[in-house]
Amino acid sequence: GAGVSQSPRYKVTKRGQDVALRCDPISGHVSLYWYRQALGQGPEFLTYFNYEAQQDKSGLPNDRFSAERPEGSISTLTIQRTEQRDSAMYRCASSLVLGGGTFMNTEAFFGQGTRLTVV
Amino acid sequence: GENVEQHPSTLSVQEGDSAVIKCTYSDSASNYFPWYKQELGKRPQLIIDIRSNVGEKKDQRIAVTLNKTAKHFSLHITETQPEDSAVYFCAASFYGQNFVFGPGTRLSVLP
Repeated sequence: GAGVSQSPRYKVTKRGQDVALRCDPISGHVSLYWYRQALGQGPEFLTYFNYEAQQDKSGLPNDRFSAERPEGSISTLTIQRTEQRDSAMYRCASSLVLGGGTFMNTEAFFGQGTRLTVV
Repeated sequence: GENVEQHPSTLSVQEGDSAVIKCTYSDSASNYFPWYKQELGKRPQLIIDIRSNVGEKKDQRIAVTLNKTAKHFSLHITETQPEDSAVYFCAASFYGQNFVFGPGTRLSVLP
């Protein structure tokens, strides 16, 4: 597609349920990032991938959060046993860059986000 | 890990005046510094970026300066217009890996 696509746009779930958030990056983009953004705050890093390899998951809040990108394209962020404090906007971004010493194509493009509400 | 601070948190200017937003970072290895503009209910969008091999970059009414020694960088908007009103985020990264964002500045341009 033309941009980063996330689905669903809105998700309301009951406390204790599992949710899966999907990110479809720009075609050909190597790096994919997951962020969480509270209202009025900056994006908070969760994890990122180069191709299918998860490079850094230090931002995941706890072991209820996991992410995968099995074929190096679409990624899924899964939250198990959701809690009310998980409610936030979850944003995905992608960029062409691989890293390793190049400045080319470093711009990260954001998706529209998934607003998760845990009730 | 990297930590990015951003000031001020809110900024109000009269239309036509200049606005300056400042960010500091902690990791001297960071070498790529983008600025994003986020309008209400929309996704963050890149407006300008700077890499550590330059000290200043301009794009029409927007400029960014970088001081590597002091580890701070600033966004300058001249001749502000009402459509510049938004939340602005700075970020720091190493070659575009693992962007760390500042908390944001809400800019209001008063007509």
